[in-house]
Amino acid sequence: NAGVTQTPKFRVLKTGQSMTLLCAQDMNHEYMYWYRQDPGMGLRLIHYSVGEGTTAKGEVPDGYNVSRLKKQNFLLGLESAAPSQTSVYFCASSYPFSGGTAEQYFGPGTRLTVT
Amino acid sequence: KNEVEQSPQNLTAQEGEFITINCSYSVGISALHWLQQHPGGGIVSLFMLSSGKKKHGRLIATINIQEKHSSLHITASHPRDSAVYICAVKETSGSRLTFGEGTQLTVNP
Repeated sequence: NAGVTQTPKFRVLKTGQSMTLLCAQDMNHEYMYWYRQDPGMGLRLIHYSVGEGTTAKGEVPDGYNVSRLKKQNFLLGLESAAPSQTSVYFCASSYPFSGGTAEQYFGPGTRLTVT
Repeated sequence: KNEVEQSPQNLTAQEGEFITINCSYSVGISALHWLQQHPGGGIVSLFMLSSGKKKHGRLIATINIQEKHSSLHITASHPRDSAVYICAVKETSGSRLTFGEGTQLTVNP
């Protein structure tokens, strides 16, 4: 099993450009998440999905959109990139929280630079 | 003030030393996670616990729900343990994790 994969691994964008990050998982997980990681800060949740066709906002959703058309894929879109979106983006997936606990499996990350 | 605080932020040890990383949180939780982020950036889940203690190899995680505190211990540390260790809590309500900033551990040979 590949686990959680992310495409691309690196990307440089100019301000105002758009792009889509793809996350795929082969563990049949219901829940998927997009996080960003910035120096001096913990991982912060951007958006998440509790199942195919559903999405919800996390802690820092502004400037991002997501879609979960297939259970195994979770897409993160930047419509008009800004330098503040320079970050490392991680996707994760998990089984539904049961009693409040579920291990999350992380992808390798995408390093995005917006100039 | 962050909901999840880790200490220390940075830790340097000699190979073989016993290491403790602490995590304190201010909210009611249903679970606490310890994660390891390798120098290359990959993140791996080490433990998920809601009470007591868990052990895996040289790693031990404990949690005290009443004191809102957890510790991650590494026995007989090795240079390959060098990584960032991240604490995250699952709040009683909601479906997201809140993460600490991480503890950078360096183990020298």
